[in-house]
Amino acid sequence: NAGVMQNPRHLVRRRGQEARLRCSPMKGHSHVYWYRQLPEEGLKFMVYLQKENIIDESGMPKERFSAEFPKEGPSILRIQQVVRGDSAAYFCASSRDSGGKTGEQYFGPGTRLTVT
Amino acid sequence: AQKITQTQPGMFVQEKEAVTLDCTYDTSDQSYGLFWYKQPSSGEMIFLIYQGSYDEQNATEGRYSLNFQKARKSANLVISASQLGDSAMYFCAMRGLNDYKLSFGAGTTVTVRA
Repeated sequence: NAGVMQNPRHLVRRRGQEARLRCSPMKGHSHVYWYRQLPEEGLKFMVYLQKENIIDESGMPKERFSAEFPKEGPSILRIQQVVRGDSAAYFCASSRDSGGKTGEQYFGPGTRLTVT
Repeated sequence: AQKITQTQPGMFVQEKEAVTLDCTYDTSDQSYGLFWYKQPSSGEMIFLIYQGSYDEQNATEGRYSLNFQKARKSANLVISASQLGDSAMYFCAMRGLNDYKLSFGAGTTVTVRA
């Protein structure tokens, strides 16, 4: 049973370019979460999605960031016009349920974004 | 809202010795879960151990045990018989039992010396 998959593992973008980060949840999981880890910090919640719906995007910057989880295919975190401050590790997690004892989140390996 | 505090930025431990990583938390939730994750230098987040707020016994998973003191709002991780492969960053996290957002502490770096 494959775990949560993220690609690319490393992404380098110049300032002003777009970054697209992909996440395929574990089989049977319909809940996806994105977290960001800035250097020397813990992970911070960004957004929670279910298939075709954004449930909570309270942790996502209002400008330039967007997320989707289409009916078919992976979840995408998109960052437009990247700036140096966007350099971070972006982790995706998935769960079978939301909350409760069965809401355990399994993390992917992360995508490390470097903006030059 | 939840807050996790890890006050030890870095620790050194001798191989085969035990090490305790501190974690205190603050929450208004009555039911919640506490988690510890390991992040080695390769960067992935590895789940180690879980403690539910209403679990009567402290959680254990192999060499990992969680010293849960509910009244003190602390959930310290104990790693017994440290190995060189235990060198990593360790994060304490929590969420309300009916919530989905995980809140993480700033982490503690553990370096195991031979």
